[in-house]
Formats: sequence, C-alpha cells, structure tokens
Amino acid sequence: GNSVTQMEGPVTLSEEAFLTINCTYTATGYPSLFWYVQYPGEGLQLLLKATKADDKGSNKGFEATYRKETTSFHLEKGSVQVSDSAVYFCAPGGSASKIIFGSGTRLSIRP
Amino acid sequence: NAGVTQTPKFQVLKTGQSMTLQCAQDMNHEYMSWYRQDPGMGLRLIHYSVGAGITDQGEVPNGYNVSRSTTEDFPLRLLSAAPSQTSVYFCASSYRNRGPTGELFFGEGSRLTVL
Repeated sequence: GNSVTQMEGPVTLSEEAFLTINCTYTATGYPSLFWYVQYPGEGLQLLLKATKADDKGSNKGFEATYRKETTSFHLEKGSVQVSDSAVYFCAPGGSASKIIFGSGTRLSIRP
Repeated sequence: NAGVTQTPKFQVLKTGQSMTLQCAQDMNHEYMSWYRQDPGMGLRLIHYSVGAGITDQGEVPNGYNVSRSTTEDFPLRLLSAAPSQTSVYFCASSYRNRGPTGELFFGEGSRLTVL
C-alpha cells in the first residue's frame, strides 16, 4: 500500500522566512498528491494538489512539484506569515479507496 | 452550503459506555470515511464507505462499527468505550465514485474523552 514520510516538526520560523516541508512517498503507480492544512481547532482542508508527474500545485503562495523520479512532493513558500501557523499534512491519493496521511508538520511563525 | 457536519463536537464518556458519532454530508459524495487523530500519530483511517450499503475497514477498525444506509450519513459507533479511544475524530467525504483519488472534504472534528 501507499506510505508517506513527512518532515518532523515542530518547525518555527520568523515572519517572511522561506519555508520548505519535505515529503516523500511510496505508492503503486502514479497517484495524485495532496497537501492539506489544519488550522487550530479546525478540520483539514485541501491546500494544493498535483495529479501527474512534473505538475506544480499552488495556492495561497504555497507551491509543491510532483517529482516522480525522487517520489517527492515538497511544500515551499517564499515568505511565510503568522497566519500560516498550522499543521500541514502530505498525502498521496490511491486507487484503493484510501488516502494515507503523513504524521503532520506543525508550523509556528513568529511575528 | 453545510459540507460535512459532525456531531457532537465534544463528548466525555466513562469506560464501557456506548455512543455514536454522527456525520452527514450534503454534497452527494459517494465516498465517506472516519479518521482518528492522535498526537504524533497523524490521521489514521478507521472505516470507510464507497457507497450506501458498502463499508470496509481501515487501518485501526477495532472497537468501532459503522453503517451506511443512506448516501448522506455515515455514523461511527463505539460499543464499549475504552480510554485508548480518547482522540479527535474526523469524518471526510469525496466526490469520487470509486475512492478518494480526488479531494477529501473534512468535518470540524469531534473530540472524545473516555475516562
């Protein structure tokens, strides 16, 4: 089955710093890849996705590129804000009716 | 547009009690699922359903029952609660007919404490 390894947290950055959260996966075939975000006290919501190799997903200044050769989907943002403080989950989709989530990376941004 | 609605938001149980967490979605999604979220463990899949009348086990199904009598509802039952079931529970649904190759839509969560 699918599996995902996500960068351990917590990650603490200053406002306007550059962010990278690493994610690598194992999967059968070439599934869609997702990043979800969970703000405090809320459920998860989709942040961005990519459906095939070399696709770049982007939203709210965040980007991630589907790298088939390295089976990676790293999340990046050029200048983080305090409002980006949340938990981020990487997730490969699958054909077996299951989306497997990484353990999540807690991000805290200092003003 | 309600999306995915979970009730209750908070619940405290004593060991051995039973309860049902409710989940309803108004998006006509065929796929629905339950996850639990524990510190340091991420989200783990409990049960899922690809349509009315069809359910299957996820990663951690023991101690939980589900049924899917309608497209809209997917309740999660704890028959005899244990402290190990203290967690935050999330219901999620998807518009894909044969599994979540698309986006999952989540409810706001139900925080359960078992004493």
